[in-house]
Formats: sequence, structure tokens, C-alpha cells
Amino acid sequence: AQSVTQLGSHVSVSEGALVLLRCNYSSSVPPYLFWYVQYPNQGLQLLLKYTTGATLVKGINGFEAEFKKSETSFHLTKPSAHMSDAAEYFCAVSDLSYGKLTFGQGTILTVHP
Amino acid sequence: KAGVTQTPRYLIKTRGQQVTLSCSPISGHRSVSWYQQTPGQGLQFLFEYFSETQRNKGNFPGRFSGRQFSNSRSEMNVSTLELGDSALYLCASSLATGGSQETQYFGPGTRLLVL
Repeated sequence: AQSVTQLGSHVSVSEGALVLLRCNYSSSVPPYLFWYVQYPNQGLQLLLKYTTGATLVKGINGFEAEFKKSETSFHLTKPSAHMSDAAEYFCAVSDLSYGKLTFGQGTILTVHP
Repeated sequence: KAGVTQTPRYLIKTRGQQVTLSCSPISGHRSVSWYQQTPGQGLQFLFEYFSETQRNKGNFPGRFSGRQFSNSRSEMNVSTLELGDSALYLCASSLATGGSQETQYFGPGTRLLVL
């Protein structure tokens, strides 16, 4: 079975500071990995995904993530935080079975002025 | 293109009742997945439908069921509601094959409160 662990349920940064949200996965097969963002009272929006190929993946809103197989990690970064980045972020791994994503517990990002 | 739509957005029910939630996928998408989101359990997969067939199912009791229509719209039903069923129910759609690398696009969710 696949699983995802997000280290840190809450992360707080200052505006303009580096954002680093950690995600480690467990998978018996080559994984497909995703980061989603959820704003209050909304659904999930895809930030970026890794399927195959380049291990550094660029997404929307200046976010990027690097797939590191040896570390089973897929950490999300953004060089400079903006107030609008405040939200909850979810890392997910795709199951080989149809239509199923396994999510981490989520990390709430707070951005201070 | 319109996104995934879910109706209703909010719902209040009492224990023992049943409820039906609706999801309209993005045009052209044939796979619909359903998830339950709660503060305690996080996001959990309920089931997935493709071409009116349930292809995958999560670990939920039989009170949770679903179906998909020929136009790919999907409904989920929860019978004999329990307090613990209070949650945000999200549906997501993806392109034809529903393969594991495809992106799932999520709707805004239906927030269900069971009293």
C-alpha cells in the first residue's frame, strides 16, 4: 500500500521568505506524485505533478518540487512567500488502481507580513 | 471550459436520514472519483466510476454508494446517516482512461452536517 507523510502540520513564514513544505512517500512501484492547494471553503487545486522525466517540476504560482527517489521525497518549495500563498497544501501519490489518490494529512501554511 | 461542479454546496441532515450528492465533471472527462475530507481522517478515497461502472472502491461501509450516468455525471448516496458522516465530500474528474498518472480536477465540495 502506498502512503504519504507530510512533516509539519503547520508551517509559518514571513512574506518574502522561502517556503519549504516536506513530503515523503512510500510506494512499491514508481510513483506519480502531486501537490494540491486548498483555500478555505474551496476544493483542491493542482499545483504541480511528477510522472516521469525531469525530477525538478515547476508548477503554478512560482512553486516547484523535486522528486528524489533515493530519499523517497517530493518537497514543495517557493523562493519568496506571498500573503496569497496562505492555504492548506496536500501531497498525494497515485495508486496503480483506478482513480485513487492517497493524500498526506496536509500542511497549513501561514504567511506573516 | 467549466470546472467540476457539485450540488448542493451545503447540506444539513439528521441521523438516520439519507442524502444524495451530485457531481458534474469537466466536459469530456469520463472518470469521476469521490473523496471524504474530515479534520480527523483527512482526505479519504471513496470510489471511482468510469463509463457507468465502479472500477475502484475505498474502505467505507456499504452505506456509501454511488453511480454514474451516461453523460458522466455522478451521484453518491449515503444511507442511514451517522454523526461521523459530517464532512466535506469532494468529487474529482479526469480524462477518459482514468490512468494513475492523470490529473484529477476537483470540485468545490459539498459540506454535509449531520445533526
